[in-house]
Amino acid sequence: EPEVTQTPSHQVTQMGQEVILRCVPISNHLYFYWYRQILGQKVEFLVSFYNNEISEKSEIFDDQFSVERPDGSNFTLKIRSTKLEDSAMYFCATPLAGLSTDTQYFGPGTRLTVL
Amino acid sequence: QKEVEQDPGPLSVPEGAIVSLNCTYSNSAFQYFMWYRQYSRKGPELLMYTYSSGNKEDGRFTAQVDKSSKYISLFIRDSQPSDSATYLCAMSGGKLIFGQGTELSVKP
Repeated sequence: EPEVTQTPSHQVTQMGQEVILRCVPISNHLYFYWYRQILGQKVEFLVSFYNNEISEKSEIFDDQFSVERPDGSNFTLKIRSTKLEDSAMYFCATPLAGLSTDTQYFGPGTRLTVL
Repeated sequence: QKEVEQDPGPLSVPEGAIVSLNCTYSNSAFQYFMWYRQYSRKGPELLMYTYSSGNKEDGRFTAQVDKSSKYISLFIRDSQPSDSATYLCAMSGGKLIFGQGTELSVKP
């Protein structure tokens, strides 16, 4: 049973458009992480979110990105004006139940294609 | 110097072989060390995690951490074609820092 699911599995958008990627936890989690993986490259940290606030963000997470927990359950990553270089797999992750926040379980990912 | 370095491979071995996958790192503050398995266009799947130095075994998989050398390893015994995937090492100080991933192919 996965800890998180992600929707959509694949999103195609035009450059300059806004996209919202969703992460749905199976049970209540306070910690969330977003990562991205450009095709053929390593998985990169974007942002961590604890108790409805950003706790850490990377240089990649600029003003075009935002995260929210709009209804207390879903967790969203918004890219305001997509660029070609935003094309990547986006993963959300949560700590495994009962373990340290350092051990993270990844969702299946959303493949974002920007044309 | 990169924070985490991992040989990207590809690595090809015959079925039944012992596989050794390795990573080096530069940040001595890392405390948790993870190995993930990833299939193409799928999310990383946590295989093993180790806290601090030492060995950990789980079935055919053994993870080793040598903090003095800043070196971690994953051994796969009796490798199977189903083990063919990309293996990612990751280190944690809150957020995860990943290696490049090693592509493994186990030939029947």
